Amino acid sequence: QVQLVQSGAEVKKPGASVRISCKASDYAFTTYYIHWVRQAPGQGLEWMGIVRPTSGFTNYARKFEGRVTMTRDTSTTTLYMELSSLRSDDTAVYYCARDDLLGALHNWGQGTPVTVSS
Amino acid sequence: EIVLTQSPDTLSLSPGERATLSCRASQRVSSNFFAWYQQKPGQAPRLLIYGISSRATGIPDRFSGSGSGTDFTLTISRLEPEDFGVYYCQQYGGSQTFGRGTKLEIK
Repeated sequence: QVQLVQSGAEVKKPGASVRISCKASDYAFTTYYIHWVRQAPGQGLEWMGIVRPTSGFTNYARKFEGRVTMTRDTSTTTLYMELSSLRSDDTAVYYCARDDLLGALHNWGQGTPVTVSS
Repeated sequence: EIVLTQSPDTLSLSPGERATLSCRASQRVSSNFFAWYQQKPGQAPRLLIYGISSRATGIPDRFSGSGSGTDFTLTISRLEPEDFGVYYCQQYGGSQTFGRGTKLEIK
């Protein structure tokens, strides 16, 4: 059974950076794209971008370009999402999710709450 | 960017009733790159339907998806108590976008 296990909750000050990990297991790690999606409190889902584990290819939502970096470590089958220059409106739960090679998100991590507050 | 508009915002129904949720896209969605998700409080979203009408693994057949072009529908034939939550539509034909959600609540 596909597992995506994310790192724990974070509290950051405005202007700082946060790095979240997503440990993938029980499937062919290099085959499927991983997406990052966030959800602000009481709000809907917002797609942030995608990373291809084989090559490290990334495609970011325009809103996050310049502030987000998505990477992977094939030796540990772990994905990372780093968001910099944090603002209060970056407070959200951040999810990693695995797609089906077309874009539907079949498997999700448990989510990582990030709070940005001075 | 394709904007997805879901309706209604909230749907109040009783167990056993039929639920119909709608999602309209601002532009034609490429191929069949359209999905529906269910989310319950404190949980990650769960994929229900992908490719407009294919049920994801483990999803009961009371859930069905339909539509094409810019108009899509999720139907739940007979509501079970566990079906209440928030439902999101998604298009993944280009840069992915989600709708703002429909809350399905117990009447």
